[in-house]
Amino acid sequence: NAGVMQNPRHLVRRRGQEARLRCSPMKGHSHVYWYRQLPEEGLKFMVYLQKENIIDESGMPKERFSAEFPKEGPSILRIQQVVRGDSAAYFCASSPSTGFGTSGSWNEQYFGPGTRLTVT
Amino acid sequence: KNEVEQSPQNLTAQEGEFITINCSYSVGISALHWLQQHPGGGIVSLFMLSSGKKKHGRLIATINIQEKHSSLHITASHPRDSAVYICAAKETSGSRLTFGEGTQLTVNP
Repeated sequence: NAGVMQNPRHLVRRRGQEARLRCSPMKGHSHVYWYRQLPEEGLKFMVYLQKENIIDESGMPKERFSAEFPKEGPSILRIQQVVRGDSAAYFCASSPSTGFGTSGSWNEQYFGPGTRLTVT
Repeated sequence: KNEVEQSPQNLTAQEGEFITINCSYSVGISALHWLQQHPGGGIVSLFMLSSGKKKHGRLIATINIQEKHSSLHITASHPRDSAVYICAAKETSGSRLTFGEGTQLTVNP
């Protein structure tokens, strides 16, 4: 069972271009979370999606950022008209569910390796 | 004030020492994660717990819900334990994780 996959691992974009980051959750996982880690800062929540639905996007910047998780295929985090301040590591995580069970393991989030976006 | 605070921010130890990293949170949580981030940047989930104590190899995590405090212990530390350790609180009101700033651990041989 492959882990969470993200691609590309490294992405370089010029200011004004679009960046598309992909996340394939673990098999059997229907919940995807995106987090951003700015240089020298901690991780920050961006958005939580289930298949075809955005559940919580309270951490997403209001403009230029969007996310989707279609019925088929990976989750996509899209950044339009990138600026230097978008340079960061973007991590996605997946879980099978969000409910809480006695073992705790079935809603645990598993992280992908991240995509490092550099805007020049 | 951050909702999740870790201490210390930086920790240097000698190989073999017992290490403790602390995490305090101010929000109501359903679970607390301990994560490890290596110099290459990848993140590994170490523990998720909501009460009591969990142990995996040389790692032990404890949580006190009443005091809103969790600790991560590493016994017989080794240079390969050098990494950033992050605690993350899963709030009862939703599914998002709120992260501490991380503790940079360096274990010298």
